[in-house]
Amino acid sequence: DAKTTQPPSMDCAEGRAANLPCNHSTISGNEYVYWYRQIHSQGPQYIIHGLKNNETNEMASLIITEDRKSSTLILPHATLRDTAVYYCIVSGTASKLTFGTGTRLQVTL
Amino acid sequence: GAVVSQHPSRVICKSGTSVKIECRSLDFQATTMFWYRQFPKQSLMLMATSNEGSKATYEQGVEKDKFLINHASLTLSTLTVTSAHPEDSSFYICSGGTGTFGSYNEQFFGPGTRLTVL
Repeated sequence: DAKTTQPPSMDCAEGRAANLPCNHSTISGNEYVYWYRQIHSQGPQYIIHGLKNNETNEMASLIITEDRKSSTLILPHATLRDTAVYYCIVSGTASKLTFGTGTRLQVTL
Repeated sequence: GAVVSQHPSRVICKSGTSVKIECRSLDFQATTMFWYRQFPKQSLMLMATSNEGSKATYEQGVEKDKFLINHASLTLSTLTVTSAHPEDSSFYICSGGTGTFGSYNEQFFGPGTRLTVL
């Protein structure tokens, strides 16, 4: 599975959009981009995934560049409850998920 | 999303005892279940992958005789930490996967079990 690179930490003011970047320059054609988050002392929570096209659900939007070498997770209106570690994972179908170190997002008042 | 439960949520045991952790998919059938371990301030590390009715596949460096995994049904997997020692103290998390070949690999995670070995 392709390796991902994320900034170790980010801050965001409550109510503003949080844009979390991820680089995955070695992604191959059949690999999806997944985003999970982990709130302190809980199990990871699925956020969104995509293959080529941009995706949006009730939690977030996922923007994937045309060459698929990077992506951005967007939380449109961050709240304090969005404070968590966000993991960007690239994985093929029916493959295991390999968690990196993620981005620690701190949402502040 | 689908729900995965773990029991117990927290366990404290004496060194040398064995501890069993249950992982259940409550509203879906998990074709595959995964067990992870997470030490403080570190990321999740995959320990093993199991398919219902077959032996688990362990990641490199994980002792299969120490961490016994049973996947008896499509809704239940158990992890037994045998002869636990203080260095086994960790946060153990399971997940259930519904992905089949050719589809995306969605996993639903349990809330985790915090094991403390005295």
